[in-house]
Amino acid sequence: QAVVTQEPSLTVSPGGTLTLTCGSSTGPVTSGHYPYWFQQKPGQAPRTLIYHTSNKHSWTPARFSGSLLGGKAALTLLGAQPEDEADYYCFLSYSGTYVFGTGTKVTVL
Amino acid sequence: EVHLVESGGGLVQSGGSLRLSCAASGFTFNTYGMNWVRQAPGKGLEWVSYISSSSSAILYADTVKARFTISRDNAKNSLYLQMNSLRAEDTAVYYCARDGGRVRGVIDPDYWGQGTLVTVSS
Repeated sequence: QAVVTQEPSLTVSPGGTLTLTCGSSTGPVTSGHYPYWFQQKPGQAPRTLIYHTSNKHSWTPARFSGSLLGGKAALTLLGAQPEDEADYYCFLSYSGTYVFGTGTKVTVL
Repeated sequence: EVHLVESGGGLVQSGGSLRLSCAASGFTFNTYGMNWVRQAPGKGLEWVSYISSSSSAILYADTVKARFTISRDNAKNSLYLQMNSLRAEDTAVYYCARDGGRVRGVIDPDYWGQGTLVTVSS
């Protein structure tokens, strides 16, 4: 099974910009992996932020955006807020197999 | 408003069985696929299983194949996960998640329930 790798932890200052990445052990991440990004705050269920690389749900704050960057999926946070402190997981599709990333703990400090 | 409520979690001995339920409301249940996703304590997320709206398509992660069975009752707006031959490594919070179905053949979790904890004692 593929391994999907994310940065274990990242720190951003309030108002700052942060980019999280999501890499695949099988090679470059493409739109064909239909990348997703989920946010999970302590003690809460995950919440879907981004689907299919760059599409936002109605509840996704405008400061979040998704893209492909250097062979990886990327989640960019522009203008971090204290409430953005959370774990973030990406999710990739592999022709009928589905793998979550290892997760990134984001601290806003 | 979409609402998903899981139930049925609890403490079970290794080798035992448990059946989880997910009650859905706020959307036309029989037109959406559904997923189960789990999270071991302090660990990351793991996709477990998917069932299509009509139950015609069912998928499982290799880690639960042949032990877990996903099903649904569209008349009751409910999703189920029958878990047999439970192991300590199945200990996790189990979430149900609606599948947006935007692309045929691709899992598409959009709305999530709050989860139910399953603890398997060895």
